[in-house]
Amino acid sequence: GQQLNQSPQSMFIQEGEDVSMNCTSSSIFNTWLWYKQDPGEGPVLLIALYKAGELTSNGRLTAQFGITRKDSFLNISASIPSDVGIYFCAGQETSGSRLTFGEGTQLTVNP
Amino acid sequence: DGGITQSPKYLFRKEGQNVTLSCEQNLNHDAMYWYRQDPGQGLRLIYYSQIVNDFQKGDIAEGYSVSREKKESFPLTVTSAQKNPTAFYLCASSISHRTTNEKLFFGSGTQLSVL
Repeated sequence: GQQLNQSPQSMFIQEGEDVSMNCTSSSIFNTWLWYKQDPGEGPVLLIALYKAGELTSNGRLTAQFGITRKDSFLNISASIPSDVGIYFCAGQETSGSRLTFGEGTQLTVNP
Repeated sequence: DGGITQSPKYLFRKEGQNVTLSCEQNLNHDAMYWYRQDPGQGLRLIYYSQIVNDFQKGDIAEGYSVSREKKESFPLTVTSAQKNPTAFYLCASSISHRTTNEKLFFGSGTQLSVL
């Protein structure tokens, strides 16, 4: 099936630093989603992207739908301790196709 | 409040036993899904259902069974045939499986462990 490569696998940063992570696919996607999962909880949708080149913000989070439609990026500015968790990307290749999830980026923020 | 409720939060299974994980949603969503998450790994699709009385196998369906008798409910049974059932199980729903801009909404998960 479709593979999503999400990187980095893990990040250890200091509070206040900015964070960037990305996902790439081997084929074109119509939709990119970014989720955050707190320990022991289900993923929560952060940002949804539907058009190539689209740039969408949610507070300190900004995500972009890559121009080639094969990648997406998530940036977190001025990180805080509650940003700790696993961030997943997910993509939908065509209408009606199942979502494919990346393997996640584990973020640790040191106070 | 609308949402997805999974129960129990923690479940223990004895060898040879079948256990059932509950998932209920009041979002009026047509599609429901079950995912398995192992430590440090992504989400793997077990089963999904696009409509009542219909469901399809996902990528790792062996050792699991589901039913979809009501729109609101999509229980997952982990059978004795599943030899490595210890994992975090996530239920999700979406408005419709046949939509262009699909968004999944997740429950809070069930941690299944083997005694």
